[in-house]
Amino acid sequence: EVQLVESGGTLVQPGGSLRLSCAGSGFIFSDYWMGWARQAPGKGLEWVANIKPDGSVKNHVDSMKGRITISRDNAKNSLYLQMNSLRPEDTAIYFCARDLGWYRADSWGRGTLVTVSS
Amino acid sequence: QSALTQPPSASGSPGQSVTISCTGTSSDVGGYNRVSWYQQHPGKAPKLMIYDVNKRPSGVPDRFSGSKSGNTASLTVSGLQAEDEADYYCCSYAGDNILGLFGGGTKLTVL
Repeated sequence: EVQLVESGGTLVQPGGSLRLSCAGSGFIFSDYWMGWARQAPGKGLEWVANIKPDGSVKNHVDSMKGRITISRDNAKNSLYLQMNSLRPEDTAIYFCARDLGWYRADSWGRGTLVTVSS
Repeated sequence: QSALTQPPSASGSPGQSVTISCTGTSSDVGGYNRVSWYQQHPGKAPKLMIYDVNKRPSGVPDRFSGSKSGNTASLTVSGLQAEDEADYYCCSYAGDNILGLFGGGTKLTVL
């Protein structure tokens, strides 16, 4: 069974940094595109970043460019999202997702809540 | 890139059919047959319901179907059931090195 488990979400002050992690199991992690999507309270979904199976291609959402970096460690079956200079508007649930390609995200984690507030 | 446009709400009675639209541009929805639809119940993770415009993942009931015409994709739910009440999001591929675009979401109410 495919499982994705996010961790690292917490309350952080504006301007702070956070690293989210996603542990994958039940599939060959290194075969898949992986991505992060977020959902602000009461709002819709937004792709934040994605990364090619070998890590050679990364895409980041314009609103967070320069502040976030997606990475992966295929040996550890893990996906990461480093977030810096966090703003209150970054407050959201951050989901990890397995992507079959072209945004066919067939497996999702339960999400981890990031709250940016003083 | 702007988000795709969905109606904020849709509704239908049990057994009826309802269609949710998703409008983009020729650079996303209209340019590729890479539209997917996700169902999200409150407090839960999204679930892939349709991909590549009209394909259903294993386990998704055939009451769910997708189509596309020009820059607008549609999700149709036939034979509405109470458990279909949820938020639905479309998503489109928009080219290499560009993140996919979600629609704003449609809240489907089963009356």
